Amino acid sequence: EVQLVESGGGLVQPGGSLRLSCAASGFTFSTYWIHWVRQAPGKGLVWVSRINSDGSTTSYADSVKGRFIISRDNAQNALYLQMTSLRAEDTAVYYCVRGGGSGRSPFDNWGQGTLVTVSS
Amino acid sequence: DIQMTQSPSSLSASVGDRVTITCRASQSISNYLNWYQQKPGKAPKLLIYTTSSLQSGVPSRFSGSASGTDFTLTISSLQPEDFATYCCQQSYSIPYTFGQGTKLEIK
Repeated sequence: EVQLVESGGGLVQPGGSLRLSCAASGFTFSTYWIHWVRQAPGKGLVWVSRINSDGSTTSYADSVKGRFIISRDNAQNALYLQMTSLRAEDTAVYYCVRGGGSGRSPFDNWGQGTLVTVSS
Repeated sequence: DIQMTQSPSSLSASVGDRVTITCRASQSISNYLNWYQQKPGKAPKLLIYTTSSLQSGVPSRFSGSASGTDFTLTISSLQPEDFATYCCQQSYSIPYTFGQGTKLEIK
């Protein structure tokens, strides 16, 4: 069974930093693109970032470019999102999402999400 | 960025009804259009990918189609478990974008 389990969310002050983790199991992690998608309370889904299977290619939404860094450790079946200079508008549930073998693959498995709250 | 305009934003229907939700892309996305279902407090679930392919385990009452840049999700006969929010997404180019969602409620 495919499992994606996020952790690391919590309350952080504006301007602060947080590192999210995603532990993957039940599939060959090193062959899949993985994404972060967020959802602010009561709002729609917003794609945040993606990383290809070997970690050599990353992409970001304009709203987080220069502040967030996505990375992965295929030996540990783990995905990370380092978030810095956090703003109130970054408050959301962050989902770790499995893509496929290409950048155009659908998002076929989602974690349960981890809540990030940016507030003083 | 490619804009995805979804309609309606909400819909009331009864068990057994046939329901259609539409998503319009602001430019060509080929067939890279996916549909997700989300229930309150839960993660989204993939229903349909590349316009019309049914994800494994999804009931056959769900179907997808397209005409140009207009995409449609159809539920042929609503079941009680189908009342949820539905959202489209283009995976043609980054930034991947989602529709605003359609909340399907019981009439």
